[in-house]
Amino acid sequence: DSGVTQTPKHLITATGQRVTLRCSPRSGDLSVYWYQQSLDQGLQFLIQYYNGEERAKGNILERFSAQQFPDLHSELNLSSLELGDSALYFCASSVATLTSGQRDTQYFGPGTRLTVL
Amino acid sequence: QKEVEQDPGPLSVPEGAIVSLNCTYSNSAFQYFMWYRQYSRKGPELLMYTYSSGNKEDGRFTAQVDKSSKYISLFIRDSQPSDSATYLCAMSNNYGQNFVFGPGTRLSVLP
Repeated sequence: DSGVTQTPKHLITATGQRVTLRCSPRSGDLSVYWYQQSLDQGLQFLIQYYNGEERAKGNILERFSAQQFPDLHSELNLSSLELGDSALYFCASSVATLTSGQRDTQYFGPGTRLTVL
Repeated sequence: QKEVEQDPGPLSVPEGAIVSLNCTYSNSAFQYFMWYRQYSRKGPELLMYTYSSGNKEDGRFTAQVDKSSKYISLFIRDSQPSDSATYLCAMSNNYGQNFVFGPGTRLSVLP
């Protein structure tokens, strides 16, 4: 158990709909990352938040948005869903402090499987 | 050229074999190198973490980093069927920024 939790585990919805995925990072981790993994595809980095603020953006569609709340949990909002958005969505967390020499790596949650019909 | 390249496999080996998994990268600024194991439909699990060049051993796993060649490896000794998974290399430059994953190598260890 990595300590990162994600809800829900599975989500089935229809095209055009909007969904929200939730992530709680490990205790003490300030940074949250969101990834998309389609069937047999690699991890595609979407976006990173650090202590409530957006830090880095990857290949995130304009239909997608995210935020990190004061308690450090994060939500990924996916709107106007298309069939191609069906994928596993992973959240990861890391300490990501700015202390010199701070070791940092990411710990992943179990993922949310999104199916768009 | 992709920032991180990894042979996708699948790689099939008999139980007990030594497995070598490799990644090459292009960004010389990468300082932190990681290997993750991902079982089907599960989240990636951190296996090994290395800072800069050198070797690191943990049980049956050994990670090697050669920054001069921009090449990293993961060796698995005495491979077991439970090692069957996709192995992802990952690297970053500093403090969780510019974190890049390889596409993964699918490994099957046959009993």
